[in-house]
Amino acid sequence: NAGVTQTPKFQVLKTGQSMTLQCAQDMNHNSMYWYRQDPGMGLRLIYYSASEGTTDKGEVPNGYNVSRLNKREFSLRLESAAPSQTSVYFCASRADSQPQHFGDGTRLSIL
Amino acid sequence: GDSVTQMEGPVTLSEEAFLTINCTYTATGYPSLFWYVQYPGEGLQLLLKATKADDKGSNKGFEATYRKETTSFHLEKGSVQVSDSAVYFCALSDGTTGTASKLTFGTGTRLQVTL
Repeated sequence: NAGVTQTPKFQVLKTGQSMTLQCAQDMNHNSMYWYRQDPGMGLRLIYYSASEGTTDKGEVPNGYNVSRLNKREFSLRLESAAPSQTSVYFCASRADSQPQHFGDGTRLSIL
Repeated sequence: GDSVTQMEGPVTLSEEAFLTINCTYTATGYPSLFWYVQYPGEGLQLLLKATKADDKGSNKGFEATYRKETTSFHLEKGSVQVSDSAVYFCALSDGTTGTASKLTFGTGTRLQVTL
């Protein structure tokens, strides 16, 4: 009964390094999402995928890329990390007409 | 665009006190409304939802009523426990069909319950 699994849970990067955050869900959901959570700002949508093979920008996509590898997996890539991307990143998935289910997050620090 | 406004925290209450966390929204169309809860070090969990006007969502003693006339979805609980200490997020769904429905979140309200 894993639900939404995010890896890694913690990561420290240096400015300019690249990294891919992984997300997998085992609930056969069509839609998947990436959010970032910053103090005092709630969660903001970075990218989302309505179905396998499609991706769309959310509110704050700059500096990120995504890949919907298959129905289960949706990865988020930082090509050249910046200190402003220090945040907690959450992946979520959703079946049609149902609420979103969230992973436990990846805490990313960029020095 | 859509937006959600929640009361600033932190909210500090004694155990068994009454809780209200205010939430108002701005949206076009007919959004669904949600309360999510985040315990320390964890992801968000759905607490309750309401999909149309006058619906009342309830779970674990919490409840909220979808008020279209006041564009509000206030969270209430009659008697809080220490275990309710968490961050609470109000959110709305844009209700689109045929594509991924997106959530707009409020900034979150931290609740601290003391003995």
